[in-house]
Amino acid sequence: DAKTTQPNSMESNEEEPVHLPCNHSTISGTDYIHWYRQLPSQGPEYVIHGLTSNVNNRMASLAIAEDRKSSTLILHRATLRDAAVYYCILSMDSSYKLIFGSGTRLLVRP
Amino acid sequence: DVKVTQSSRYLVKRTGEKVFLECVQDMDHENMFWYRQDPGLGLRLIYFSYDVKMKEKGDIPEGYSVSREKKERFSLILESASTNQTSMYLCASSFGAGGNQPQHFGDGTRLSIL
Repeated sequence: DAKTTQPNSMESNEEEPVHLPCNHSTISGTDYIHWYRQLPSQGPEYVIHGLTSNVNNRMASLAIAEDRKSSTLILHRATLRDAAVYYCILSMDSSYKLIFGSGTRLLVRP
Repeated sequence: DVKVTQSSRYLVKRTGEKVFLECVQDMDHENMFWYRQDPGLGLRLIYFSYDVKMKEKGDIPEGYSVSREKKERFSLILESASTNQTSMYLCASSFGAGGNQPQHFGDGTRLSIL
C-alpha cells in the first residue's frame, strides 16, 4: 500500500490561511489523494479528494504537485473549529480500504 | 448531508458477552464499513460490505462478525467480547463501486469490555 508522510503537528492563527503538506512519493497512477479530518470525540470527516488537478470545495482546496508526489490541503481562513487531526490518504479504485496514518494535528490560536 | 448513525456513543459490556453494534445510513449507499480506532494504531478496517448480504474481511476480522440484511443497516458483532476489544468503533458508508468514493463516518461507539 502506498504511504503518506505528514508533519506531526502545525499551528496557525485564526483567520489566516493554513497549508497542510503531504508527501506520497510512491503514489501510483490510479491512486486518488483524499483528505479527512477528525475533531475531538467525533468520527473522521471527509474534506476533499482529487486525482491530478487541483480541487476546490466549500471546506478547502487541494493543490496537487505536477508529479503527484506531494499535495497540500489549503484552509483559506482558519477558524477555531478547524482545530483537528488532518489525514492525507491514498486510495485505489480496486480497493475499498482507506489507510489512516497518524495525521497532522492542527492547532488554531485565537 | 449524509447521516451515519451509530446506535450508542458509549457502551460497557462484560468479558464473554455477545455484543451488537448497530449502524444506519440514510443516503442509500452501497458500501458500509466497520473500523476500530486505537491510540498509536490509527483506524483499522474490520469488515466491509459492498451490497446487502455481502461482506469482506478487512485487516483485523478475528473475533468479529457482521450482518447486513438491509441496505441501510450494518451490524458489527463481537461473538465473545474480550478486554482487548475495548476500543472506539467507527462505522462508515460510501456510494457506488470502487474505492475512490469518499467515506462518511458516524461519531463512533466507545466500547469498554470489563
